[in-house]
Amino acid sequence: EPEVTQTPSHQVTQMGQEVILRCVPISNHLYFYWYRQILGQKVEFLVSFYNNEISEKSEIFDDQFSVERPDGSNFTLKIRSTKLEDSAMYFCASSGQGQETQYFGPGTRLLVL
Amino acid sequence: AQSVSQHNHHVILSEAASLELGCNYSYGGTVNLFWYVQYPGQHLQLLLKYFSGDPLVKGIKGFEAEFIKSKFSFNLRKPSVQWSDTAEYFCAVTPVSYNTDKLIFGTGTRLQVFP
Repeated sequence: EPEVTQTPSHQVTQMGQEVILRCVPISNHLYFYWYRQILGQKVEFLVSFYNNEISEKSEIFDDQFSVERPDGSNFTLKIRSTKLEDSAMYFCASSGQGQETQYFGPGTRLLVL
Repeated sequence: AQSVSQHNHHVILSEAASLELGCNYSYGGTVNLFWYVQYPGQHLQLLLKYFSGDPLVKGIKGFEAEFIKSKFSFNLRKPSVQWSDTAEYFCAVTPVSYNTDKLIFGTGTRLQVFP
């Protein structure tokens, strides 16, 4: 069964450093998403991406965040200058159609020190 | 504020007990409804979903959920739980009428099943 994969599984970084979280969505999917879950809180939507552009983003997704689909398989989330409050589990998801079932990756646990 | 609420934060049951987890949402119009499960150390997996049609939907592993539009609810049920159902359960909503495809999650319910 096809799966969404994410790398790395864990990342520790210093405040102010840039991080890139990588995702490989399911191969024939066209809609891509990033969510995050701060420890003890809800899973929150960050951004959706379709047809090589952002289709929707949340208030959390400020200028420090960017997404890219650099090739036909990867979907990345970049945090330009990490803050302590960016520490969270980041989930990538993909979907074959908009407003349909989203399939989630295993997540990347980011710790900012 | 518009939200998705799961009122049971932590549920502890013995095997063979019946389960019902509550989920309420506050979005008007058309919604797509989902229950996801996260087993320990694993990723979010879809249990079941409702888009339209029969409001009683059946999912994997014997789970079912009932959409009650008048109550803005989508409660998850299982008649007899097993130890392997120990996991965190998330209700999620896509408020289709708001021209979005994002998932809005509840806070999750941690279910522990003891043998």
